[in-house]
Amino acid sequence: EVQLVQSEGGLVHPGGSLRLSCIASGFTLRSYNMDWVRQAPGKGLEWVSYITRNSAGIFYADSVRGRFTISRDNVKNTLYLQMNSLRDDDTAVYYCARDSENGYAIDSWGQGTLVTVSS
Amino acid sequence: DIVMTQSPDSLPVSLGERATINCKSSQSALDRSNNKNNLSWYQQKPGQPPKLLIYWASTRESGVPDRFSGSGSGTDFTLTISSLQAEDVAVYYCQQYYGSRITFGPGTKVDLK
Repeated sequence: EVQLVQSEGGLVHPGGSLRLSCIASGFTLRSYNMDWVRQAPGKGLEWVSYITRNSAGIFYADSVRGRFTISRDNVKNTLYLQMNSLRDDDTAVYYCARDSENGYAIDSWGQGTLVTVSS
Repeated sequence: DIVMTQSPDSLPVSLGERATINCKSSQSALDRSNNKNNLSWYQQKPGQPPKLLIYWASTRESGVPDRFSGSGSGTDFTLTISSLQAEDVAVYYCQQYYGSRITFGPGTKVDLK
């Protein structure tokens, strides 16, 4: 069974940092491109970042570029999102997500991690 | 950047009735390399992550009931639930993939009339 199990989130002060992790099981992580997607409370889905199978290609949404860093460890079957300089509007549930083999859809999602940025 | 719109924002539907959700993109979703539209549909229930329903505009994901269907090409797409069941109450999002970036529509909330 394909599973993406995410780390706990938490409360962070504005300007603070947090690293999210996502452990993959039931499939070989190195065979898939991966994303992070977030959802602010009561709002829609917002794509955050994308990383190719071998980390050669990395992309970010304008809203997080320069503050967030996506990375992966295919040996540890783990995807990461390092979030720095956090702002109030980064408050959201963050999902790690696996791209489908055809590359055009997300076919598996983590359970979601709530990150709250507040003073 | 691609902008995606959905209509309606909210859709009350009686059990057994048809639900139709529209999605429009500011840029064509057609991938001319394979003549497929990179447009997907997701269902999200409260407190759960989204679930993939349809990809390539009209291909149903494995395990998705056949009452869900997708259609359209280019910039205009439709998700249809042929006979609404109680478990279909959810928010539905369209999504387009372009240049390794993803854009989601704002969502359509389907609930019971």
